[in-house]
Amino acid sequence: DAGVIQSPRHEVTEMGQEVTLRCKPISGHDYLFWYRQTMMRGLELLIYFNNNVPIDDSGMPEDRFSAKMPNASFSTLKIQPSEPRDSAVYFCASRGDSLNEKLFFGSGTQLSVL
Amino acid sequence: QKEVEQDPGPLSVPEGAIVSLNCTYSNSAFQYFMWYRQYSRKGPELLMYTYSSGNKEDGRFTAQVDKSSKYISLFIRDSQPSDSATYLCAMSLSGGYNKLIFGAGTRLAVHP
Repeated sequence: DAGVIQSPRHEVTEMGQEVTLRCKPISGHDYLFWYRQTMMRGLELLIYFNNNVPIDDSGMPEDRFSAKMPNASFSTLKIQPSEPRDSAVYFCASRGDSLNEKLFFGSGTQLSVL
Repeated sequence: QKEVEQDPGPLSVPEGAIVSLNCTYSNSAFQYFMWYRQYSRKGPELLMYTYSSGNKEDGRFTAQVDKSSKYISLFIRDSQPSDSATYLCAMSLSGGYNKLIFGAGTRLAVHP
């Protein structure tokens, strides 16, 4: 398996623009997570899905952020409008449906909002 | 106060040294404890996983959990330059294992 695949690897945009980050989880994994990592706040959970249904979005910072999972093999995280403080590395992770806690992370998307 | 505290380092050691990495936490309800390793420009990868208190060993790595002190540790024996990475502790509540709380991460550099 190729692992969790994220695109793009790097995104540079201007304040006010819409940004869409993409994720393909590992085939067969029922859970998908979006995390954000910054120097100041570390790694924070934004939202997670189970069987394509959003379960907990309490970590989404504000209404500018939205996430969807239209099918088991694809998820998006959208920021509209983007702001400089959104600059961070965004990680997608997935895991199977068992008591094993093992999360598999993608390589992340480095987002820079100018 | 953060729920999980971890010294960000950086920690620099010579090859072959024993490395000790630590985290403290405030929520006594945490039951699952993990250590992740993150190489530069990569996502974290699970290194060790323990449930409740005790020790767990895997090769050169040993994880310890002391719930009475709310303190977890990761020991790396015979450290290698390839161990140079950021190490993040993570923990979750029993039954709430989807919501991992991560420490800030400790940067480790092992020099030849």
